[in-house]
Formats: sequence, structure tokens, C-alpha cells
Amino acid sequence: GAVVSQHPSWVICKSGTSVKIECRSLDFQATTMFWYRQFPKQSLMLMATSNEGSKATYEQGVEKDKFLINHASLTLSTLTVTSAHPEDSSFYICSARKSQETQYFGPGTRLLVL
Amino acid sequence: KQEVTQIPAALSVPEGENLVLNCSFTDSAIYNLQWFRQDPGKGLTSLLLIQSSQREQTSGRLNASLDKSSGRSTLYIAASQPGDSATYLCAVTTGNQFYFGTGTSLTVIP
Repeated sequence: GAVVSQHPSWVICKSGTSVKIECRSLDFQATTMFWYRQFPKQSLMLMATSNEGSKATYEQGVEKDKFLINHASLTLSTLTVTSAHPEDSSFYICSARKSQETQYFGPGTRLLVL
Repeated sequence: KQEVTQIPAALSVPEGENLVLNCSFTDSAIYNLQWFRQDPGKGLTSLLLIQSSQREQTSGRLNASLDKSSGRSTLYIAASQPGDSATYLCAVTTGNQFYFGTGTSLTVIP
């Protein structure tokens, strides 16, 4: 089956610093990847759609200058949380689309901003 | 905009009991519906995928049904086990984007 990895699996950082999260499709190429955020006891909320070689499409209410997305290759998308604040603490999950029908989800990255 | 709701939000049952989780969505123009399992602090594990043209899918003790016209899906778990304890999420897709439900937190008591 298709595998999607995320790195790091968890990160703790100080307020004001930037954090980069990587999402990789290990055994397939993904022209489209998605970034989700999940707060405790809540469902996943789509943040942005990342297309290889073009700018990401952000959902309403998501600050594009704060959550920088780069999809430089068919197997890697990165999410950078810039100037992180405690309210950015969350569980970030990516998914990669293998075909029109199928997306595979990464294991998630837990971010804690102190 | 598509909205996905799951009922109940939490469920606690004794081991061995059969149970049903419910999922409803507001826009019936979906591509498919998928049920996921999420363990605490972990990512998503896909359980069952139902295409919009299908009525149900089965895998082991799990059976998922889809009534697209009424905007409903159910996940039936037979003979529940403590290892089934997790949060169950349903999601519908329009082809490009997933819309996730609010989740049902299941606890199976030994």
C-alpha cells in the first residue's frame, strides 16, 4: 500500500520561532497534497491544498503568510509555521493524493508552542 | 458548503456488543465516503471506502452502508472488542477535497 510519512512526529518550540513540517509520499508520486489541522477533541480541518510546482490554495481563515507551504517535488510538501504562538499548538496531518479516488494520510505531527 | 455530522459524539459499550455509528452529510453530490479510525495522538487509518455508486462495504467485523440520497452512512461494528476503542471519523469527498465529520469516540469496556 501507499505510505505517507511526516517529520518530525512531534516538536516543541518557543513562541516566535518558525517550525517546518515535512510530508513525503514514500512509494508514489503525488501532484497534490493536503494539510489539515486538528485541535483536541475536534475533527480535521483542511488548511490548504498543495500542488506541485504552483502556489498552494488556502482555505478561508487560514493565513497564507503564517503557514507557508512548499511543494517542490512530486514526493515532498513542507508546511512552515512562521512566528509560532501557543494558539498554533495543534496536530498537523498531511495527505497525498495518489489518484482521483484515493488519498493517503500521514501519521501526523504534534506541535507544542511554549 | 458540505457539512458532515456524526452521532453520537461519544459511545461506551461493554465488550461483545454490536454497535452502530452514524454519519450524515448535507450535500449528496459526493464522490465517495470513507470511514477512518484514529487512535489518540495518532494519524488516520482507513477502514472502509464506499464509492458513490455503492450501497455498502464490508471488512471483517465492520460493515458500512451509504444512502447518498438521504445523506447518511452508518458504520456497524459487530462483536466489539476493547481494541476497537478509538475515535471513528467519516469523511466525504467531492473528488478533490475531504470533508471530515466531528468524530465518534468509542470506548469498549472489557
